[in-house]
Amino acid sequence: EAGVTQFPSHSVIEKGQTVTLRCDPISGHDNLYWYRRVMGKEIKFLLHFVKESKQDESGMPNNRFLAERTGGTYSTLKVQPAELEDSGVYFCASSLLPGVGTGELFFGEGSRLTVL
Amino acid sequence: QKEVEQNSGPLSVPEGAIASLNCTYSDRGSQSFFWYRQYSGKSPELIMFIYSNGDKEDGRFTAQLNKASQYVSLLIRDSQPSDSATYLCAVTMGTYKYIFGTGTRLKVLA
Repeated sequence: EAGVTQFPSHSVIEKGQTVTLRCDPISGHDNLYWYRRVMGKEIKFLLHFVKESKQDESGMPNNRFLAERTGGTYSTLKVQPAELEDSGVYFCASSLLPGVGTGELFFGEGSRLTVL
Repeated sequence: QKEVEQNSGPLSVPEGAIASLNCTYSDRGSQSFFWYRQYSGKSPELIMFIYSNGDKEDGRFTAQLNKASQYVSLLIRDSQPSDSATYLCAVTMGTYKYIFGTGTRLKVLA
């Protein structure tokens, strides 16, 4: 069974440019999460989808960040325009619905974003 | 106060010793508690989960939860160099909103 896949694995862009990160969750996982890890800091919650609906987007830093999950399958996270402080590793994770299984989050390998 | 706090380390223990990793959390309503291991440059992977007060053992790993003290810990017995990694404590708040600590870097010295 395929795990959570993320693309690209690494992106280097200049300040002011746009980047779109993609996440394909494990098939059948209705919960999808985006997290960001900045060097030396915690893995910070950005938002949570249940199927195609945004359940909680309280962690999104500002309106330069836009997340979508078309048809409840894959998700994209767009940063436009990118700023220096957006650099970090963006993790996507998925899980089964609450009450099903252990509640374990399955993580992708992450997309490392470097804004110059 | 951070929602989930961990000592960033590094915590250095000799091979074969017990490594003790600690985590405190702020939300008394938290229901589920997880320990993830993350090797450098890799994604986090689940080591243990615990929902009820007390101890839960799985092989060399024991998770301990004390909800009254808002404290969860992970013990690693017979530590091996391959256990060297960052250990992340995660707590669910609300309906499956997972909040992570900064992680504790563990070094097991051969």
